Amino acid sequence: DAGITQSPRHKVTETGTPVTLRCHQTENHRYMYWYRQDPGHGLRLIHYSYGVKDTDKGEVSDGYSVSRSKTEDFLLTLESATSSQTSVYFCAISDASGRDEQFFGPGTRLTVL
Amino acid sequence: DAKTTQPTSMDCAEGRAANLPCNHSTISGNEYVYWYRQIHSQGPQYIIHGLKNNETNEMASLIITEDRKSSTLILPHATLRDTAVYYCIVSPNQGGKLIFGQGTELSVKP
Repeated sequence: DAGITQSPRHKVTETGTPVTLRCHQTENHRYMYWYRQDPGHGLRLIHYSYGVKDTDKGEVSDGYSVSRSKTEDFLLTLESATSSQTSVYFCAISDASGRDEQFFGPGTRLTVL
Repeated sequence: DAKTTQPTSMDCAEGRAANLPCNHSTISGNEYVYWYRQIHSQGPQYIIHGLKNNETNEMASLIITEDRKSSTLILPHATLRDTAVYYCIVSPNQGGKLIFGQGTELSVKP
């Protein structure tokens, strides 16, 4: 399995609080992605990164920010969590070309009360 | 919106071939066809991808029609562990951004 870890794996928080999810890889892959998965929606891309300090928005980026200060870590921040952000969040990585397979992490289940 | 159409669900007998269809009639010339699967509560797993030629790996075969408007993923000898949601995705070769649709829920039965 690709070396991808996500932390925390589960989190319960309250509306209005900031939350940061971490994705860590040991594969030295250039591309990293954050997706969310909700019932009836499949996976939707939030943000992605194509290198250190290089990030771009996906299809559902409102309410989220990301940072990538080093190759191995990609952080997803909810500045002020809302109940609509209750979801399972998956991180993924792919190699330098960005065209080949993406390897997914185990996911983080976030509940916003 | 996803650019693919897949059946919502399919059943397959254990040991038989599972043939999962996908329509992508608006596919562009630079877009690849990717297949992923997701076993309950786990992260998606890459299966195979192709541009226009048929592809085979240790997991599956991908058959793409000549006009590239549809494809079929073939699991040659389905096992119970192949029960999962299978996603067909078309994506340009630019940064690997994937748009997942609803997928096909494959149930392999004994």
